[in-house]
Amino acid sequence: EAGVAQSPRYKIIEKRQSVAFWCNPISGHATLYWYQQILGQGPKLLIQFQNNGVVDDSQLPKDRFSAERLKGVDSTLKIQPAKLEDSAVYLCASSHRDTQYFGPGTRLTVL
Amino acid sequence: TQLLEQSPQFLSIQEGENLTVYCNSSSVFSSLQWYRQEPGEGPVLLVTVVTGGEVKKLKRLTFQFGDARKDSSLHITAAQPGDTGLYLCAGAGGGGADGLTFGKGTHLIIQP
Repeated sequence: EAGVAQSPRYKIIEKRQSVAFWCNPISGHATLYWYQQILGQGPKLLIQFQNNGVVDDSQLPKDRFSAERLKGVDSTLKIQPAKLEDSAVYLCASSHRDTQYFGPGTRLTVL
Repeated sequence: TQLLEQSPQFLSIQEGENLTVYCNSSSVFSSLQWYRQEPGEGPVLLVTVVTGGEVKKLKRLTFQFGDARKDSSLHITAAQPGDTGLYLCAGAGGGGADGLTFGKGTHLIIQP
């Protein structure tokens, strides 16, 4: 069974630029999560989808971050414009029952 | 905001030694999970504990959930270099929906 796929794996941009990350969850998993993991810290939930609907986006900085899951499968997370403090690994996870499966993450560096 | 405090933050020991890492919170969680994360990879679930006082064993790893479901510990017996990694505890049922609340993790290095 294929795992959660994310791309790109690495991205370097300058502040004020825009960036987008893509996630393909495990087939059949209805719930999808985006987490932000800053160096030296644990992951922090940004947004949770159930199929194509948002369940929780309370910790998403909505002035610059947006996410969508239009067909209830793949998802994209966008940052516009990026700030230096957005440098982090962005992890996507999908879940079956009570188990979340994480992708390898996208490491974003904002210069 | 519910927080999970993990200790120690860093631990470096020799192969064959035993160790315990802790995860503490002032809040009650419906369940608590332990993950291991290696560089360049996402966290991988090791175990889920649900019942207060529960103890689960996974080979040389023993996980315990506190009676009040606010804290947990991970004990590794006879640590091996392959145990090296970032150990994260995560609580469920604390924030919105079932998104996880993670601690900052314990960086464990097992030296041969």
